[in-house]
Formats: sequence, C-alpha cells, structure tokens
Amino acid sequence: AQSVSQHNHHVILSEAASLELGCNYSYGGTVNLFWYVQYPGQHLQLLLKYFSGDPLVKGIKGFEAEFIKSKFSFNLRKPSVQWSDTAEYFCAVHAMDTGRRALTFGSGTRLQVQP
Amino acid sequence: GAVVSQHPSWVICKSGTSVKIECRSLDFQATTMFWYRQFPKQSLMLMATSNEGSKATYEQGVEKDKFLINHASLTLSTLTVTSAHPEDSSFYICSARGARDVRYEQYFGPGTRLTVT
Repeated sequence: AQSVSQHNHHVILSEAASLELGCNYSYGGTVNLFWYVQYPGQHLQLLLKYFSGDPLVKGIKGFEAEFIKSKFSFNLRKPSVQWSDTAEYFCAVHAMDTGRRALTFGSGTRLQVQP
Repeated sequence: GAVVSQHPSWVICKSGTSVKIECRSLDFQATTMFWYRQFPKQSLMLMATSNEGSKATYEQGVEKDKFLINHASLTLSTLTVTSAHPEDSSFYICSARGARDVRYEQYFGPGTRLTVT
C-alpha cells in the first residue's frame, strides 16, 4: 500500500525566512499530488496540486512545490514566510491505477512562524 | 464553489449513546464522500469511502457496525457513531468529490469535534 512521509514534524522559522517542507511517497505508478494547509481552528484548504505537466507547481499565497519523480518527492517551498503562514501542512497522494479513490495523507508538519 | 459543510461542528455525548454527523456538498453533486478521523496533532486517517446509493467501503480496522455511513443523496452523507465510548472522541472530517472531478480532487468540510464523556 502507498504511504506518505513528512519528515519534518515541527518547524519553527522567523518571518522572511525561506521554507521547504519535505514530502516523499511510496508508489511506483502514476500519482496525483496535493498539499493542504490547516490554519488553527479551520478546515483543510488546498494549497496546490500536481496532476501532470510542469513539475514545478505554483499555488496560492506564494507557495510552490516541485515534483521529482526519480526521488518520489513533492516538497513544498516558499521563499519568504509570514506570521500568517503558521499552520499545519499536509501532503497527500492519490495513487492512480489502483482503483482507490481516497487520498493518502502524510502525518503533517506543524509550521510556527515567529514575528 | 465546491463548499462542503458539516453539522454539528461540535458535540458532546454520554457514553453509550449514538451521534449522527452530517456532511453536505452545498453547490455540487458529490458522487463520492470520504470520512476521515483526525487525532490531536496527527494526520487524517481514512475511515470509509461512500458512493451515493451504495454501501460504504470501510478501511481495515474500522468497525462497520459502530460507524454507520449512509450516502442517501448526491449532496448528503451521514456518519453515525453508535454506542459511543470515550475512545471514540476525535475530530471527524468529511470530504467530497464531484461527478465531474476526474482528477480526484477532494473538498473538505470543517470537521466535527466529538467528545464522549
């Protein structure tokens, strides 16, 4: 079965610092990839998604992610974080060709941005 | 567009009682709905997948008789926690996928916090 690993469980950054959150998955076939964000007290929101084409995907709020197929990775980046980016970030994968319709989520990374 | 609501947002019940949680797609028809459970500071764990008009598919380890799922219409799915116990206390989140969403994007509801005393 496919799995998703987010190695950074808790990241603390100062405002204006650059961010990179790791996401690796274990499935050799075709995948759809997602990053979701959960702000404190709010529901999951889609940050960005990759289905096909350009492996560098740009999302909302200045976030981007790069799909590196050879590394089974889909890392999330932002050049300069803001205090308002404090939230929980989840990477999710949909493994195509498995018949499975649900997403598999990583364990999440809690980002804390200090002013 | 693509709004999913859940009701109630927060519920407290006594041990042994049953609780029903509703998940509605407000502006699209959801052919598939998913129910997740999220423990504090942990990820979402898929409980079951339901298609409108058919029985839900439960993940391994999820008790079908305890977590009853009904997807009676294209805009409503319900999760009933039967004979709830304190260990069932958790955050329950639903998501929905529309008939036109061939890319498997899901839209999430705000979640329901269940506390069993």
